[in-house]
Amino acid sequence: QKEVEQNSGPLSVPEGAIASLNCTYSDRGSQSFFWYRQYSGKSPELIMSIYSNGDKEDGRFTAQLNKASQYVSLLIRDSQPSDSATYLCAVYSGGYQKVTFGTGTKLQVIP
Amino acid sequence: DAGITQSPRYKITETGRQVTLMCHQTWSHSYMFWYRQDLGHGLRLIYYSAAADITDKGEVPDGYVVSRSKTENFPLTLESATRSQTSVYFCASTGQGSNMNTEAFFGQGTRLTVV
Repeated sequence: QKEVEQNSGPLSVPEGAIASLNCTYSDRGSQSFFWYRQYSGKSPELIMSIYSNGDKEDGRFTAQLNKASQYVSLLIRDSQPSDSATYLCAVYSGGYQKVTFGTGTKLQVIP
Repeated sequence: DAGITQSPRYKITETGRQVTLMCHQTWSHSYMFWYRQDLGHGLRLIYYSAAADITDKGEVPDGYVVSRSKTENFPLTLESATRSQTSVYFCASTGQGSNMNTEAFFGQGTRLTVV
């Protein structure tokens, strides 16, 4: 069983719509949660981090965390073609544990 | 320039050869990591280092060796390359002293092909 699971997609949304990306994790002791964006052929870059239950907003991006249900999501409002990328969910479980990455969800924003 | 840089960006090598991938960061970050990224597997941790002279295995360490004699450098060596090691390799670091619980910054990646 994978520790961090994401739907691989592709998730296709029209320009201007809300894109919703989901991630579930298995370790209940996980402390920190990250969303990275990776354009094709490029390296991942952090777009959101969230540490406590609830919502965290940054511009068009909102990260949502529900530790009881062990899921974290990323909402992208007013999606733009430039948002087309693979989005990686990453989870940190404390101590000397590594940050575990999901396999990513490919998002396609259709103009 | 400040940041984290990897070299080479592209490498083709033959089976059985030793290959070293370089990683250099200018932030004095404590933690550094090597990942490989393959279709269907996402990013998998090969090795990580908490500080100079402190390294530990990740999820897929077999066939790889690392060293960290200086904080800023974290080279990854494939002792005897195999075709299964064809992949994209990313080096990353996390900042703020010894806290691993922070944003990871990634290098540009090295695309390695073993023929």
